[in-house]
Amino acid sequence: GQNIDQPTEMTATEGAIVQINCTYQTSGFNGLFWYQQHAGEAPTFLSYNVLDGLEEKGRFSSFLSRSKGYSYLLLKELQMKDSASYLCAVRDSNYQLIWGAGTKLIIKP
Amino acid sequence: IAGITQAPTSQILAAGRRMTLRCTQDMRHNAMYWYRQDLGLGLRLIHYSNTAGTTGKGEVPDGYSVSRANTDDFPLTLASAVPSQTSVYFCASSRAENQPQHFGDGTRLSIL
Repeated sequence: GQNIDQPTEMTATEGAIVQINCTYQTSGFNGLFWYQQHAGEAPTFLSYNVLDGLEEKGRFSSFLSRSKGYSYLLLKELQMKDSASYLCAVRDSNYQLIWGAGTKLIIKP
Repeated sequence: IAGITQAPTSQILAAGRRMTLRCTQDMRHNAMYWYRQDLGLGLRLIHYSNTAGTTGKGEVPDGYSVSRANTDDFPLTLASAVPSQTSVYFCASSRAENQPQHFGDGTRLSIL
Protein backbone atom coordinates (compact mmCIF):
# COMPACT_ATOMS: atom_id res chain seq x y z
CA GLY A 1 0.00 0.00 0.00
CA GLN A 2 0.93 3.65 -0.16
CA ASN A 3 1.98 5.43 2.99
CA ILE A 4 3.16 8.86 4.05
CA ASP A 5 4.47 9.24 7.61
CA GLN A 6 5.06 12.47 9.47
CA PRO A 7 5.00 13.34 13.19
CA THR A 8 1.58 14.24 14.54
CA GLU A 9 2.69 17.28 16.53
CA MET A 10 5.83 19.31 17.22
CA THR A 11 6.55 22.25 19.49
CA ALA A 12 9.20 24.92 18.92
CA THR A 13 10.17 28.33 20.24
CA GLU A 14 9.74 31.64 18.46
CA GLY A 15 12.97 32.59 16.67
CA ALA A 16 14.28 29.01 16.61
CA ILE A 17 14.64 26.45 13.80
CA VAL A 18 12.47 23.36 13.36
CA GLN A 19 12.71 20.40 11.01
CA ILE A 20 9.60 18.43 10.05
CA ASN A 21 10.31 15.00 8.60
CA CYS A 22 8.32 13.01 6.08
CA THR A 23 8.93 9.44 4.93
CA TYR A 24 7.02 7.83 2.12
CA GLN A 25 6.33 4.54 0.41
CA THR A 26 4.39 5.01 -2.80
CA SER A 27 3.81 3.31 -6.12
CA GLY A 28 6.10 5.48 -8.19
CA PHE A 29 7.39 8.97 -7.50
CA ASN A 30 6.73 12.12 -9.48
CA GLY A 31 7.54 14.79 -6.96
CA LEU A 32 6.97 15.74 -3.33
CA PHE A 33 5.03 18.76 -2.10
CA TRP A 34 4.81 20.60 1.20
CA TYR A 35 1.71 22.58 2.09
CA GLN A 36 0.85 24.78 5.06
CA GLN A 37 -2.64 24.71 6.56
CA HIS A 38 -3.78 27.07 9.29
CA ALA A 39 -6.65 25.83 11.46
CA GLY A 40 -9.97 26.14 9.67
CA GLU A 41 -8.37 27.26 6.43
CA ALA A 42 -7.35 25.78 3.09
CA PRO A 43 -3.91 24.24 2.45
CA THR A 44 -1.48 26.58 0.68
CA PHE A 45 1.49 25.47 -1.42
CA LEU A 46 4.95 25.90 0.11
CA SER A 47 7.49 23.90 -1.87
CA TYR A 48 8.11 21.22 -4.47
CA ASN A 49 10.99 18.75 -4.81
CA VAL A 50 11.45 16.29 -7.64
CA LEU A 51 15.25 15.91 -7.62
CA ASP A 52 17.46 15.08 -4.65
CA GLY A 53 18.76 18.01 -2.68
CA LEU A 54 17.72 21.18 -0.96
CA GLU A 55 15.29 23.79 -2.26
CA GLU A 56 15.43 27.10 -0.41
CA LYS A 57 12.68 29.69 -0.40
CA GLY A 58 13.15 32.44 2.13
CA ARG A 59 12.78 31.13 5.68
CA PHE A 60 11.58 27.76 4.41
CA SER A 61 13.70 25.01 2.85
CA SER A 62 12.76 21.53 1.72
CA PHE A 63 15.06 18.55 1.24
CA LEU A 64 14.52 15.33 -0.70
CA SER A 65 16.30 11.97 -0.81
CA ARG A 66 14.53 9.69 -3.27
CA SER A 67 16.71 6.67 -2.44
CA LYS A 68 15.68 6.92 1.23
CA GLY A 69 12.06 7.89 0.60
CA TYR A 70 12.62 10.88 2.84
CA SER A 71 12.02 14.59 2.90
CA TYR A 72 12.13 17.34 5.47
CA LEU A 73 10.81 20.87 5.72
CA LEU A 74 13.08 23.29 7.56
CA LEU A 75 11.61 26.45 9.03
CA LYS A 76 14.05 29.12 10.24
CA GLU A 77 13.52 32.21 12.42
CA LEU A 78 10.17 30.89 13.56
CA GLN A 79 7.34 33.35 13.94
CA MET A 80 4.06 32.93 15.81
CA LYS A 81 2.22 32.98 12.47
CA ASP A 82 4.06 29.76 11.53
CA SER A 83 1.80 27.89 13.96
CA ALA A 84 -0.09 25.63 11.55
CA SER A 85 -0.23 22.11 10.20
CA TYR A 86 2.33 21.13 7.59
CA LEU A 87 1.25 18.56 5.03
CA CYS A 88 3.58 16.33 3.03
CA ALA A 89 2.24 14.92 -0.24
CA VAL A 90 3.80 12.65 -2.85
CA ARG A 91 2.71 12.43 -6.48
CA ASP A 92 2.57 8.77 -7.44
CA SER A 93 2.92 6.98 -10.78
CA ASN A 94 -0.68 7.92 -11.68
CA TYR A 95 0.08 11.59 -10.98
CA GLN A 96 -2.28 11.54 -8.01
CA LEU A 97 -1.23 13.14 -4.72
CA ILE A 98 -0.96 10.89 -1.67
CA TRP A 99 -1.18 12.98 1.49
CA GLY A 100 0.24 12.55 4.95
CA ALA A 101 -2.00 13.32 7.93
CA GLY A 102 -0.02 16.49 8.64
CA THR A 103 2.23 17.75 11.43
CA LYS A 104 0.73 20.30 13.79
CA LEU A 105 3.43 22.81 14.68
CA ILE A 106 2.97 24.79 17.89
CA ILE A 107 5.14 27.87 18.34
CA LYS A 108 5.71 29.14 21.87
CA PRO A 109 6.95 32.63 22.74
CA ILE B 1 -9.26 38.23 -7.21
CA ALA B 2 -8.49 35.04 -9.10
CA GLY B 3 -9.01 31.80 -7.27
CA ILE B 4 -11.36 28.98 -6.38
CA THR B 5 -14.81 29.54 -4.94
CA GLN B 6 -16.67 26.83 -3.06
CA ALA B 7 -20.30 26.94 -1.95
CA PRO B 8 -21.86 26.52 0.48
CA THR B 9 -19.34 27.33 3.22
CA SER B 10 -21.09 24.93 5.55
CA GLN B 11 -24.21 22.79 5.53
CA ILE B 12 -26.15 20.51 7.85
CA LEU B 13 -28.00 17.84 5.93
CA ALA B 14 -30.39 15.05 6.82
CA ALA B 15 -29.30 11.54 5.91
CA GLY B 16 -30.78 10.35 2.64
CA ARG B 17 -30.92 13.82 1.08
CA ARG B 18 -29.19 14.75 -2.16
CA MET B 19 -26.57 17.51 -2.02
CA THR B 20 -24.37 19.24 -4.57
CA LEU B 21 -21.23 21.07 -3.53
CA ARG B 22 -20.22 23.75 -5.98
CA CYS B 23 -16.70 24.64 -7.10
CA THR B 24 -15.73 27.34 -9.60
CA GLN B 25 -12.26 28.53 -10.59
CA ASP B 26 -11.32 31.51 -12.75
CA MET B 27 -7.65 30.65 -13.30
CA ARG B 28 -8.32 28.63 -16.46
CA HIS B 29 -6.71 25.62 -14.82
CA ASN B 30 -7.11 22.37 -16.71
CA ALA B 31 -7.13 19.98 -13.75
CA MET B 32 -9.57 20.00 -10.83
CA TYR B 33 -9.94 17.80 -7.76
CA TRP B 34 -12.26 17.03 -4.88
CA TYR B 35 -10.85 15.95 -1.52
CA ARG B 36 -12.28 15.19 1.87
CA GLN B 37 -10.35 15.93 5.04
CA ASP B 38 -11.12 14.07 8.26
CA LEU B 39 -9.44 14.51 11.63
CA GLY B 40 -6.28 12.43 11.93
CA LEU B 41 -6.27 11.46 8.27
CA GLY B 42 -4.59 12.98 5.26
CA LEU B 43 -6.56 14.57 2.47
CA ARG B 44 -8.22 11.82 0.45
CA LEU B 45 -8.99 12.23 -3.22
CA ILE B 46 -12.63 11.60 -4.16
CA HIS B 47 -12.71 12.42 -7.87
CA TYR B 48 -10.59 14.38 -10.28
CA SER B 49 -10.71 15.83 -13.78
CA ASN B 50 -7.57 16.40 -15.86
CA THR B 51 -9.44 18.45 -18.46
CA ALA B 52 -12.98 19.56 -19.30
CA GLY B 53 -15.13 16.64 -20.40
CA THR B 54 -13.16 13.97 -18.50
CA THR B 55 -13.36 12.70 -14.93
CA GLY B 56 -11.68 9.96 -12.90
CA LYS B 57 -12.09 8.16 -9.60
CA GLY B 58 -9.81 8.81 -6.69
CA GLU B 59 -9.20 6.88 -3.50
CA VAL B 60 -12.70 7.20 -2.00
CA PRO B 61 -15.25 7.71 -4.83
CA ASP B 62 -18.18 5.63 -3.52
CA GLY B 63 -21.31 7.68 -2.83
CA TYR B 64 -20.06 10.67 -4.82
CA SER B 65 -20.32 11.77 -8.45
CA VAL B 66 -18.84 14.66 -10.42
CA SER B 67 -19.18 16.31 -13.80
CA ARG B 68 -16.92 18.64 -15.77
CA ALA B 69 -19.01 20.29 -18.46
CA ASN B 70 -16.61 23.25 -18.80
CA THR B 71 -13.19 24.38 -17.60
CA ASP B 72 -14.40 26.51 -14.69
CA ASP B 73 -16.94 24.34 -12.83
CA PHE B 74 -16.55 21.02 -11.06
CA PRO B 75 -19.58 20.17 -8.88
CA LEU B 76 -19.57 17.24 -6.45
CA THR B 77 -22.88 15.45 -5.79
CA LEU B 78 -23.84 13.21 -2.91
CA ALA B 79 -26.79 11.24 -4.27
CA SER B 80 -28.05 10.02 -0.88
CA ALA B 81 -26.04 11.40 2.04
CA VAL B 82 -24.93 9.15 4.90
CA PRO B 83 -23.41 10.17 8.27
CA SER B 84 -19.97 8.81 7.28
CA GLN B 85 -19.83 11.55 4.66
CA THR B 86 -19.61 14.17 7.39
CA SER B 87 -16.33 15.90 6.59
CA VAL B 88 -14.63 19.02 5.27
CA TYR B 89 -14.60 18.99 1.49
CA PHE B 90 -11.92 20.85 -0.45
CA CYS B 91 -11.93 21.59 -4.14
CA ALA B 92 -8.55 22.21 -5.78
CA SER B 93 -7.22 23.03 -9.22
CA SER B 94 -3.89 23.02 -11.03
CA ARG B 95 -2.67 24.29 -14.37
CA ALA B 96 -1.81 20.72 -15.30
CA GLU B 97 -1.73 17.43 -13.43
CA ASN B 98 2.00 17.83 -12.66
CA GLN B 99 1.66 21.36 -11.24
CA PRO B 100 0.98 22.51 -7.63
CA GLN B 101 -2.65 22.43 -6.59
CA HIS B 102 -4.50 25.50 -5.33
CA PHE B 103 -7.34 24.99 -2.86
CA GLY B 104 -10.70 26.57 -2.20
CA ASP B 105 -11.75 27.49 1.34
CA GLY B 106 -13.66 24.27 1.88
CA THR B 107 -17.22 23.19 2.66
CA ARG B 108 -17.98 21.86 6.13
CA LEU B 109 -20.69 19.25 5.72
CA SER B 110 -22.52 17.52 8.58
CA ILE B 111 -24.88 14.64 7.85
CA LEU B 112 -27.35 13.86 10.63
